Amino acid sequence: QSVLTQPPSVSGAPGQKVTISCTGSSSNIGANYDVNWYQQLPGTAPKVLIYNNNNRPSGVPDRFSGSKSGTSASLAITGLQAEDEADYYCQSYDLTLKGVFGGGTKLTVL
Amino acid sequence: QLQLQESGPGLVKPSETLPLTCTVSGGSISTSSFFWGWIRHSPGKGLQWIGSIYYSGSAYYNPSLKSRVTISVDTSKNQFSLRLSSVTAADTAQYYCVRHIWELTHYHFDCWGLGTQVTVSS
Repeated sequence: QSVLTQPPSVSGAPGQKVTISCTGSSSNIGANYDVNWYQQLPGTAPKVLIYNNNNRPSGVPDRFSGSKSGTSASLAITGLQAEDEADYYCQSYDLTLKGVFGGGTKLTVL
Repeated sequence: QLQLQESGPGLVKPSETLPLTCTVSGGSISTSSFFWGWIRHSPGKGLQWIGSIYYSGSAYYNPSLKSRVTISVDTSKNQFSLRLSSVTAADTAQYYCVRHIWELTHYHFDCWGLGTQVTVSS
């Protein structure tokens, strides 16, 4: 059972928009700690997609965006492309458990 | 460009100690503001942060693993290491070494190694 809760899977057609939610608690996201998102393509290591709630590292398309409110956060992907098919993880800091992740969401591009 | 490379045995027997080393290249492990850590990924369990260390040697661990984990750093070799004792099949996973940033409320893992698969089996 992961500390941060994500839907196991989401799907969308090419060109559409999908959103992945991440729900935490008052000891992590709600304690004002930033939320980060990682993309893991098949057979590769995770890479940071969004950091500090809504910042994109250089090279990440602006189709990816993050937001945070209260004890939850969301990752939005617009203009869905086949290459976006991957696993996505949210991550934050917890006052007791320190580094914590969501269970991951598998994105399927239909 | 910063690169991290894990090394260690791919197979460990139950009850033994798992040793892994991460070699950092393209940058100094002694750079301030960065921590160095270990994360593992097992099917069905997702990603789990194991622990992290600062170049000064200050380490902190996941409370659920703290009794079995030791992370150390060797700045002369630009390496840091993980030792996980009394392993069981539940410790079978892909292990990643990472660099991370921890400043106030900002805490994220910005650079990952390729990972190394570790299987616990007799």
